Formats: sequence, C-alpha cells, structure tokens
Amino acid sequence: DTAVSQTPKYLVTQMGNDKSIKCEQNLGHDTMYWYKQDSKKFLKIMFSYNNKELIINETVPNRFSPKSPDKAHLNLHINSLELGDSAVYFCASSPDIYSNQPQHFGDGTRLSIL
Amino acid sequence: RKEVEQDPGPFNVPEGATVAFNCTYSNSASQSFFWYRQDCRKEPKLLMSVYSSGNEDGRFTAQLNRASQYISLLIRDSKLSDSATYLCVVSDTGRRALTFGSGTRLQVQP
Repeated sequence: DTAVSQTPKYLVTQMGNDKSIKCEQNLGHDTMYWYKQDSKKFLKIMFSYNNKELIINETVPNRFSPKSPDKAHLNLHINSLELGDSAVYFCASSPDIYSNQPQHFGDGTRLSIL
Repeated sequence: RKEVEQDPGPFNVPEGATVAFNCTYSNSASQSFFWYRQDCRKEPKLLMSVYSSGNEDGRFTAQLNRASQYISLLIRDSKLSDSATYLCVVSDTGRRALTFGSGTRLQVQP
C-alpha cells in the first residue's frame, strides 16, 4: 500500500488553464504539506496543514489554493496556470506539526505548461 | 544567504571510496536535522536523522556541530546504488517546517 499517493503523476496543460492535484496519505498523520521542486532541483515548501487547518502559507501566489477536506487529504488547485508553474509538486505528511519528525513524500506530480 | 547551504557537486567517486558531504545552516534555533536521498525523477526519501552525539547506520555516518551550525554525512565503501542527490534538511520548532538544501549530487563509478 502506498503511504502518500498523488494524482496525477504527469500533467501537461496550456497556459491559462485551471488544474488540480490530489494527495492522500494512509499513515494516520496529522500534518500534510505541498512542496514545489523547480528545474534547479530546489525543494521549497508551499503550504502545510495540520488536521485540516492551514499552518504555513509561504508567499505563494493566490492562484494556488490548497484544500484539506480531512486530515488524510490535501489537494492543490491552481488557477490561470503560467509557464513558471512548470515544476514537480510533491505532497508529504508527518505525524504532527512539531517538525522534529521526518516527512514521507508522495512520488510527485510533474506539471508542464505549454 | 541561503538557510541551508550545500556544495552541489557532482562528486564523482569510484566504487569502494569514502566520500563526505557537508552542509551549513543559518538558523541557530534549528532543532532537528536529517539527510534525505533523492534519486533522479523520484521523491526524497529519509536516509537518516542526525543526532547531536553523531550517529551511524551501516556505511553511513552523520555528524552535527551545533556551535558551527554544520552537518556532515560520510559514506564508506561507496556502492553504485549510492548514486543520488543527498539533501541536507533542517527544521525549527518555531517555524514548524523543514528547510531543504539544494542537494549534493553523488555519482559512484565502476
């Protein structure tokens, strides 16, 4: 069983479109995250949620809107996609928000904007 | 200054070699430290946590120097399968987030 699963694995779309990426974890963790890894391979946090509550929002454009229907799910909706949004987006989870625990990552969603 | 700095490499070493990676971090309030491994086009995976007294896991040894804000990873007897990017990761309780270095790429050659 996959611990943190993301869908879709690949997403190719045109500029200006709206798209969503879904993430689910079956580890019973309270905290979930979205990261962006750009072409320079730098992994940067975007959002974190703890038990459905937004904890971190790292100066991400408001075209990006996370939604957590329950603590096992954290989805990412992106409006009006831009060329600079092309990257790999990773979902992750950890037992709690105290950040002294390692995080478990999904296998990424590769977003390409045409 | 980046919060977590690493030499990007690549480090090209022969099989069986010993290789060391270093990492410095800027936030003295950082509480927890990790090394993650990321294979090409894959997700980061935890390699090991780093403890103040230093710790070892098989061929891998991690050291932490809080005074110098410096973390190291030593890999002995390198295998071809060790080829990957090694990410230094630092957290602080206040920010409640992990900060990733940009990674050091290791290529082990036959």
